[in-house]
Amino acid sequence: SQELEQSPQSLIVQEGKNLTINCTSSKTLYGLYWYKQKYGEGLIFLMMLQKGGEEKSHEKITAKLDEKKQQSSLHITASQPSHAGIYLCGAESDSNYQLIWGAGTKLIIKP
Amino acid sequence: NAGVTQTPKFQVLKTGQSMTLQCAQDMNHEYMSWYRQDPGMGLRLIHYSVGAGITDQGEVPNGYNVSRSTTEDFPLRLLSAAPSQTSVYFCASSYDAGGRDTQYFGPGTRLTVL
Repeated sequence: SQELEQSPQSLIVQEGKNLTINCTSSKTLYGLYWYKQKYGEGLIFLMMLQKGGEEKSHEKITAKLDEKKQQSSLHITASQPSHAGIYLCGAESDSNYQLIWGAGTKLIIKP
Repeated sequence: NAGVTQTPKFQVLKTGQSMTLQCAQDMNHEYMSWYRQDPGMGLRLIHYSVGAGITDQGEVPNGYNVSRSTTEDFPLRLLSAAPSQTSVYFCASSYDAGGRDTQYFGPGTRLTVL
């Protein structure tokens, strides 16, 4: 079965610094989703990537899909306290109607 | 639109008790699903539905039942609660009946089974 591995598991970053979170699949990636979760809350959709080489940006967050590496990266530029939370990647699996998910990356921003 | 709503937000059960977690969406989405989130394990799919009257099992269905009598509602029933079911439960919905679309999540239900 397909698995998604996120790295790192947790990250502490000084405010203003850049950071990257990776999501690597054990099989070919077709659709890749990035979500953010704040403690005690649900998941908020960030971006969806569908094609190899695709890159999307929203404010200071950029996500890329590398089809050959079966990997997606999420890059945050000039991090702010509002970026703190848990970032999860999800992917369309080879099982119909089911998405699979990474374990999440916990991001802490130090002021 | 309220989006996806879940009740209750918190619940404590004793082993062997049963209960129903409620989920409703007002976006006319065909696809709805239930996940559990445990530390270090990400989201695991319990059950899903591709439309009213149609449900199927996900990765971890044992100990849970679902039904989908309307497009809006997708309750999750715990038949006989066990400590292993202590978790955070999320309901999600998406427009695409195949679930291959942006998922909208509810705020979650934190369940503790003693």
